[in-house]
Amino acid sequence: EDQVTQSPEALRLQEGESSSLNCSYTVSGLRGLFWYRQDPGKGPEFLFTLYSAGEEKEKERLKATLTKKESFLHITAPKPEDSATYLCAVQANEGGSEKLVFGKGTKLTVNP
Amino acid sequence: DTGVSQDPRHKITKRGQNVTFRCDPISEHNRLYWYRQTLGQGPEFLTYFQNEAQLEKSRLLSNRFSAERPKGSFSTLEIQRTEQGDSAMYLCASSLVPGQGFVWQYFGPGTRLTVT
Repeated sequence: EDQVTQSPEALRLQEGESSSLNCSYTVSGLRGLFWYRQDPGKGPEFLFTLYSAGEEKEKERLKATLTKKESFLHITAPKPEDSATYLCAVQANEGGSEKLVFGKGTKLTVNP
Repeated sequence: DTGVSQDPRHKITKRGQNVTFRCDPISEHNRLYWYRQTLGQGPEFLTYFQNEAQLEKSRLLSNRFSAERPKGSFSTLEIQRTEQGDSAMYLCASSLVPGQGFVWQYFGPGTRLTVT
């Protein structure tokens, strides 16, 4: 069964203090790995898609990387507005399923 | 492009009542997905449609749940005889497949259901 594990569950940073979030996955053939941001009471907002090991994507202070077993979301010099829950999800290549399998997320708090 | 919309945003119901939620996807999107999210968990897949055809259902979708997309545009999710365990955020997402470049699922704001 496809599984996604995110760590840590929660992370507190000071403004400007860089860090990384981890997403470990097991999947029967990876079609894509997705990062979403979710603010309280709202739906997930798409950030990145990664397809193959070695791939990297960047957007403002965020950079996502992918290996064969895990993905990292690096946050450089975070600001308070980066506070949110970050969700990782995988989509499998086999069986024709279109579902995304999500992890539980990492709740990030950035203090000013 | 006004995004995915869901109605209502909040619903409080008593155990045993039926509830129906509506999702309007991004207008040109042919795929529509339903997920359920409980507190502290990531979204869990329920079902998806390609146009009006329901192509995949999770085992989470018990026989009390039914979803429709009659004209390939908006979709409804009905829960019959609600139970307290049905309390969750119900999320709708849509996508266009095949699309230009990579494809991701756009999520709506969700409908929060509370069963008392």
